[in-house]
This record gives sequence, C-alpha cells and structure tokens, in this order.
Amino acid sequence: AQTVTQSQPEMSVQEAETVTLSCTYDTSENNYYLFWYKQPPSRQMILVIRQEAYKQQNATENRFSVNFQKAAKSFSLKISDSQLGDTAMYFCAFMNPRGAGSYQLTFGKGTKLSVIP
Amino acid sequence: EAQVTQNPRYLITVTGKKLTVTCSQNMNHEYMSWYRQDPGLGLRQIYYSMNVEVTDKGDVPEGYKVSRKEKRNFPLILESPSPNQTSLYFCASSLSPARPPNQPQHFGDGTRLSIL
Repeated sequence: AQTVTQSQPEMSVQEAETVTLSCTYDTSENNYYLFWYKQPPSRQMILVIRQEAYKQQNATENRFSVNFQKAAKSFSLKISDSQLGDTAMYFCAFMNPRGAGSYQLTFGKGTKLSVIP
Repeated sequence: EAQVTQNPRYLITVTGKKLTVTCSQNMNHEYMSWYRQDPGLGLRQIYYSMNVEVTDKGDVPEGYKVSRKEKRNFPLILESPSPNQTSLYFCASSLSPARPPNQPQHFGDGTRLSIL
C-alpha cells in the first residue's frame, strides 16, 4: 500500500508570517498526483493545491505554493502571509493508478495549523 | 450549485442495526469514493468507484458495502454496524482521474456516525 507521511502533527505561525508543512510519500509509480487539502473547523474538505508528478514546475495558487521534489518523494506546502482563516487541519494526499484505469487516493494523518494573531 | 450531498449528517444507532449513508453528486462525475476520518489516522479510503457498476476496495473496506447503480449516487452500507465503525465519514466525487489534467475531489460535508 502507498503511504503518505506528515511528520508535523501540529504547527503554529504568527499572522503575516510564512510557514511550511512537510509531506513525504512512498511509491514505485512514475505517474501520480499530489494534493493538499484544508479542513477548517467546519469539517469541509477544501482543495488547496494540486501537482502532477510529470510536471517539474512547482504549483502555485495565490499565497500557497509547493516544493515538489520527485526524487526525494517530498511535497511540502508553503503558506505565505498567513491569515487567521488559514487555521485548519491540512492533509497531504496522493493519488496513484492501480491498473485497469483504477485510482486510489491516500491521505496523510494531517497537520493542525494554528495562525496566531 | 455543484455539490456532493450526504445524508444523514449525524446518526446515533446501535450495534447490528443495518444502516445506509447516502451520497449524491450533481456534477456528472465518474469517480466517487468514501472515506472515514479518525483522530490521529487522517482520512482512509473505504471504497471507490470509477464509474457505474465499477467499484474497488480502498484501504479499510471491512464491514462496509457500496453500490453504484447510477452515476450520481454512491451509498455506503453498514450491514451490521459495530462500535469500531464510529467515525466521521466523507463522500467525494470527481471527474475520472485518468482525464488530464488531474481532477480534484469534491467532498460532501461529512456524516458523524456513532455506533453504541
């Protein structure tokens, strides 16, 4: 089974500062997809950013960017200019093909981020 | 409005009493899946479906059943619920992951299930 590891159960950052959440994964596949999801206290799962493994360029969405290191199997999320609304649980996720057009999505255990005023 | 709708949002029931959690999406998505979320374990995929009548086991399928008779619906069935199935459940859908570019999952609001 594929594994996704988020080594930081909890983190905190001052408002307006930058924070980086780490994620590593284990796979023998060459073609796969990576995601970061945000889960605020409302429990909704919100897509933050996604990355295709075949793309070398790191994905960016406004204040959110990733550092994708394919050889190291690392996919960290950087949040710039942190805002109070960024307080949430963040999940790293990995989607891999399982053959016959089937895809499985595996999540990490999450990092709880608190933005401090 | 594009959405994934789960029902019920909350349910307390007893061991052994069959229950079904419904999931419906209005986006004509091929891919649908169920997850359970437990403290310290993150989200784990229970079952997923690539299209109508095509379902596959995820990482934790034991004690669950699913069906995909229609494209929009993907119910989760607990034939004989047990206390270790007490959890927060999410349904999600997306266009086929095989389509480029890769498609994000749209999640429902979650179902809090308590089995006594």
